[in-house]
Amino acid sequence: EVQLVESGGGLVQPGRSLKLSCVASGFTFSNYGMNWIRQAPGKGLEWVAYISSGSSYIYYAETVKGRFTISRDNAKNTLYLQMTSLRSEDTALYYCARRGITEGDYWGQGVMVTVSS
Amino acid sequence: DIQMTQSPSFLSASVGDRVTINCKASQNINKYLNWYQQKLGEAPKLLIYNTNNLQTGIPSRFSGSGSGTDYTLTISSLQPEDVATYFCLQHSSRPNTFGAGTKLELK
Repeated sequence: EVQLVESGGGLVQPGRSLKLSCVASGFTFSNYGMNWIRQAPGKGLEWVAYISSGSSYIYYAETVKGRFTISRDNAKNTLYLQMTSLRSEDTALYYCARRGITEGDYWGQGVMVTVSS
Repeated sequence: DIQMTQSPSFLSASVGDRVTINCKASQNINKYLNWYQQKLGEAPKLLIYNTNNLQTGIPSRFSGSGSGTDYTLTISSLQPEDVATYFCLQHSSRPNTFGAGTKLELK
């Protein structure tokens, strides 16, 4: 069974950093591209970043480019999102999602990030 | 960026009803349109990919159609367990963009 479990969220002050993790199981992680997607409270979903299976291709939303870094460790079956210079508008539930037969074929349950002083 | 306009935002229907939810793209997305179901407190679940392909394990009462800029998710006979929020995703061009969601409840 495919499972994606996010962690690392919490309350952080504006301007500070936070690193999210997503541990994958139930499939060969190194064969799949992965995404981070977020949903701010009361708002719609926003794609954040994508990384290909071998980390050769990386894309970011304009809203996070230069502040967030997506990475992965295939030996540890783990996807990361390093978030710096956090802003209040980054407050959201962050999901990791696999790119399998299609974009977002499996999603984690999400981890909450709250940026507030 | 491609804008996805989803309608309706809210839908109330009875068990057994035929339900349709629509997504309209701001440009042709060449059938690269997925539909998801999200129940309260759960991860989003893929229902339909690339317009009309049913994900493994999804009941056949769910179906998708469309082309160009206009796409539809249909539930042929609404069941109580279908109460959820549904949203679409276009993955024709980056950045991938989502519809705002349709909250479906039982009447």
